[in-house]
Formats: sequence, C-alpha cells, structure tokens
Amino acid sequence: GIQVEQSPPDLILQEGANSTLRCNFSDSVNNLQWFHQNPWGQLINLFYIPSGTKQNGRLSATTVATERYSLLYISSSQTTDSGVYFCAVGDTGNQFYFGTGTSLTVIP
Amino acid sequence: DAMVIQNPRYQVTQFGKPVTLSCSQTLNHNVMYWYQQKSSQAPKLLFHYYDKDFNNEADTPDNFQSRRPNTSFCFLDIRSPGLGDAAMYLCATSDRGVRYEQYFGPGTRLTVT
Repeated sequence: GIQVEQSPPDLILQEGANSTLRCNFSDSVNNLQWFHQNPWGQLINLFYIPSGTKQNGRLSATTVATERYSLLYISSSQTTDSGVYFCAVGDTGNQFYFGTGTSLTVIP
Repeated sequence: DAMVIQNPRYQVTQFGKPVTLSCSQTLNHNVMYWYQQKSSQAPKLLFHYYDKDFNNEADTPDNFQSRRPNTSFCFLDIRSPGLGDAAMYLCATSDRGVRYEQYFGPGTRLTVT
C-alpha cells in the first residue's frame, strides 16, 4: 500500500501563531484529504485536495502531486484548532491510507 | 442535512459477549467503510463494501464481521470481544465514480469489561 508520513508528529503553538503541517506519500494518488479529529473523536473534513491549492478561512492547503506531498497551513491559530490532524490518501481503488497524524496544541 | 450516523455513540460490552455497531447514511454513497482507531493511533481500515461487494483487509481478525443489507445501512459485528478490541470504531462513506472523498460518522467508542 501507499506509505504516508506526516510531520511534525507534535506541535505546540501560542495562540495567534501560524503553522505548516506536511504530508508525504510514496506513490501516485487520486485522492487526498486533510482531517481534523476533534476531542470527541470525530474526523472533520477540512480539504479534499488531490492537487492544487484551496483556502477556507484561516486554513489553506496545497498538494503537489508530482512531488508527492501536501501542506496544510493554519494561520492565526486558536485554541479550538487543537487536536490531531490527519492526512489520508487514496489510490485508484477504494483504499484509503492514513498518515500517523500531527497532534497540535494551541495554548492561550 | 446529508450525513453519516453511528449508533450507539458509546457501547460497553463484556468480554466475550457479542456486540453490533450500526452505521447509516443519507448520502446515497456506494462505498461504506469500517475503521478501528485505538488511542493515539491513526484509523485502521477493517473492511469496506462497494455496493454489495465485501472487501476484507488481510489483517482484519475473523472476530470482526460486517453486513450491509441495503445502501443506507452497514453493521459491524464483533463476535467475541476481547479487551484488545476496546477502541473507537469509525464508519465512513464515499461515492466511487464521482470523487473519492470520504465522509465520517461521529464514531462509536467501545469499552470491553
């Protein structure tokens, strides 16, 4: 299967700071999603971004499919941004492969 | 709103006592997935259905079974839960042929006593 690596594994930020999370994957993909897992365990869709750049408020994401990586940018971080961020990629079948996640803590 | 629903949200069962977790969707997606997530780990795919075609992951224990009686519903049966099966169980859907975006339910947290 496709190997997915996320970095950094842990990140602590002061409220208001910016951050960049990275997702590297080992093979061509036709699907890439970023999720935020909230404290209750639900995976919230942030972006569906197999290629290109998207923005949603303080969050944006860029995927460079030819170089097999994606970046998630969080600007002006808030305490509610705390949680685990997962990248998941999919191939031409129905399989999805999750990265190991980045645990983000935003302190006031 | 179209969504993925899981019931119950919390389930306590005894060691060895069969348990069934439920997932339903109003998105009319043709693919449904079951994931297991243990503390501080990434979700691990157990199996998925593409319409009625069942696809089991190679390392999914035989103790885990699934049923999909129709497009809207999918069930996860754990025949003899062990302490190691305590986890969050996540159901997801996607619409193969449109785009492969996954949508997750809120999860069921299973405790085994």
